[in-house]
Amino acid sequence: GENVEQHPSTLSVQEGDSAVIKCTYSDSASNYFPWYKQELGKGPQLIIDIRSNVGEKKDQRIAVTLNKTAKHFSLHITETQPEDSAVYFCAANSYNFNKFYFGSGTKLNVKP
Amino acid sequence: ETGVTQSPTHLIKTRGQQVTLRCSSQSGHNTVSWYQQALGQGPQFIFQYYREEENGRGNFPPRFSGLQFPNYSSELNVNALELDDSALYLCASSWSGTGSYEQYFGPGTRLTVT
Repeated sequence: GENVEQHPSTLSVQEGDSAVIKCTYSDSASNYFPWYKQELGKGPQLIIDIRSNVGEKKDQRIAVTLNKTAKHFSLHITETQPEDSAVYFCAANSYNFNKFYFGSGTKLNVKP
Repeated sequence: ETGVTQSPTHLIKTRGQQVTLRCSSQSGHNTVSWYQQALGQGPQFIFQYYREEENGRGNFPPRFSGLQFPNYSSELNVNALELDDSALYLCASSWSGTGSYEQYFGPGTRLTVT
């Protein structure tokens, strides 16, 4: 099955700086890669996703890039704010099936 | 449009007991997936229900079972609870259609097994 690895496990940045979280996947047939933000005591919230036919996608301060050849994808958050502090998870699907394999999570701390 | 809801919020059970968790899918969604999230880890896929049938299963034993109802809501049942079953149980709803992959999670049920 799919194996998703995520780095770093913790990330501390100053407010206004950028944050980058990286993930690799093993199954070249995966074609959908979502990113979730999970705040304490809540369920994961879908913040952005990318499909295998696209190399980059942006939504305001958040962007995701995908390198299919290298089988890795990254989340970029610019102009970080304290409310961005949370645990972020990447995931990859089984091909054409919405069963997700999740990374182990990155705890992002944005210091004011 | 209503989001995904789960009940109960918290639950404490004793080893060997049975538990039922409930999930109401988001309006317009026909598929429910269940995940187990241990503390400090990413969610792990348990199984998915579509058209009231199991549609894919992760690496979980048969004592984890489920149901989906005609209104697309779902239940997760766990028999013979073990201490390692303590976790946050998440359900995610989605629309199973061509090219549709987005899943939206509920707030989860925190299960503690003592």
